[in-house]
Amino acid sequence: KNQVEQSPQSLIILEGKNCTLQCNYTVSPFSNLRWYKQDTGRGPVSLTIMTFSENTKSNGRYTATLDADTKQSSLHITASQLSDSASYICVVTDGSGNTGKLIFGQGTTLQVKP
Amino acid sequence: ETGVTQTPRHLVMGMTNKKSLKCEQHLGHNAMYWYKQSAKKPLELMFVYSLEERVENNSVPSRFSPECPNSSHLFLHLHTLQPEDSALYLCASSQTRGRGAYGYTFGSGTRLTVV
Repeated sequence: KNQVEQSPQSLIILEGKNCTLQCNYTVSPFSNLRWYKQDTGRGPVSLTIMTFSENTKSNGRYTATLDADTKQSSLHITASQLSDSASYICVVTDGSGNTGKLIFGQGTTLQVKP
Repeated sequence: ETGVTQTPRHLVMGMTNKKSLKCEQHLGHNAMYWYKQSAKKPLELMFVYSLEERVENNSVPSRFSPECPNSSHLFLHLHTLQPEDSALYLCASSQTRGRGAYGYTFGSGTRLTVV
């Protein structure tokens, strides 16, 4: 069964600190993996997208890694800011079919405190 | 703005009402999607339209009725909803080529409350 599991479920850190969010998946065939940031009551916004051959991709203070062998990804946030408080969702695209079905994780809720 | 616009942003409706959610994309994409997001649960895919043709319907109750009049517009018609249908409804669009969905973009969602 295609699944995406994220950990931790929630996380509280102090402003300025770094943190790493984890994503494990069992989706096959694999097409790509995306990390989204979702502010409360808003739609998800794409942070990074990685294909099979990419190991790391950065977007400002966000750095995503992908290990396609172990089917694991991480999202590292550097020097956290209050505006980083949001839900972070890992999404893996199923490479079968014609419309690229997305498999969503449950998300990690990050709270950054001053 | 992401290029995918949803209206209204918030909607409160009674169980006997009929209402519609609207989604419009200005990205030139050829596929559009409706998702439901309930508290503490992953996004659930409801409907997929590719080139204005419904290609996926994930066992959604008939009280939800989608409509895609053209590649830029998508509607979700609601009638006789239940309180458990209260959720954030998200629209998304993408450009599908072969087996890939590129430029996947979400709207800001409609927060629906059924009373």
